[in-house]
Amino acid sequence: KQEVTQIPAALSVPEGENLVLNCSFTDSAIYNLQWFRQDPGKGLTSLLLIQSSQREQTSGRLNASLDKSSGRSTLYIAASQPGDSATYLCAVGRYGGATNKLIFGTGTLLAVQP
Amino acid sequence: NAGVTQTPKFRVLKTGQSMTLLCAQDMNHEYMYWYRQDPGMGLRLIHYSVGEGTTAKGEVPDGYNVSRLKKQNFLLGLESAAPSQTSVYFCASSSVAYTGELFFGEGSRLTVL
Repeated sequence: KQEVTQIPAALSVPEGENLVLNCSFTDSAIYNLQWFRQDPGKGLTSLLLIQSSQREQTSGRLNASLDKSSGRSTLYIAASQPGDSATYLCAVGRYGGATNKLIFGTGTLLAVQP
Repeated sequence: NAGVTQTPKFRVLKTGQSMTLLCAQDMNHEYMYWYRQDPGMGLRLIHYSVGEGTTAKGEVPDGYNVSRLKKQNFLLGLESAAPSQTSVYFCASSSVAYTGELFFGEGSRLTVL
């Protein structure tokens, strides 16, 4: 059974710092991994989608890496800003059935202090 | 520019009452999903649909029913609400089955007393 873990559960950093969020999964047979952002009381917004054949994806100040063999992904945020404060979730896409089934981690709550 | 819209956003029910959550997407996506989010447990898939007229069970389907009569709408029903169904419900859609990006609604917060 695929399990997705995100450590730490919460993180507080001063503005301007570079930071790394971690995601680990137990079964390397995945077809993609997505990083999402969730603001309080809001839905999830997809940040980066890494296909199983890819090693990393970049969007602006965000860079996500994927190492299937070790069951790990990292989300790197450069030059953090208070507006980056949110919960970040990773989700692993697994095979089986006819559709995109994601297994979600419980998220890392990020607070960027001005 | 609506994307995925959920109604209602908030609802309080008494045990045993029934209700329906509506999800509407305007992106012509084939695939739609209902998730629930509970503290410390992440999002869990309740039911999903791979196209108009189809539905399938997800991870935690008990106590819920769904219908997809129109491609743009996916309804989640609770026939007899229980306190264990207190949660935040999210609808999502995608255009591609295995490799696609998911688009989420803003959630519906349900409390069952």
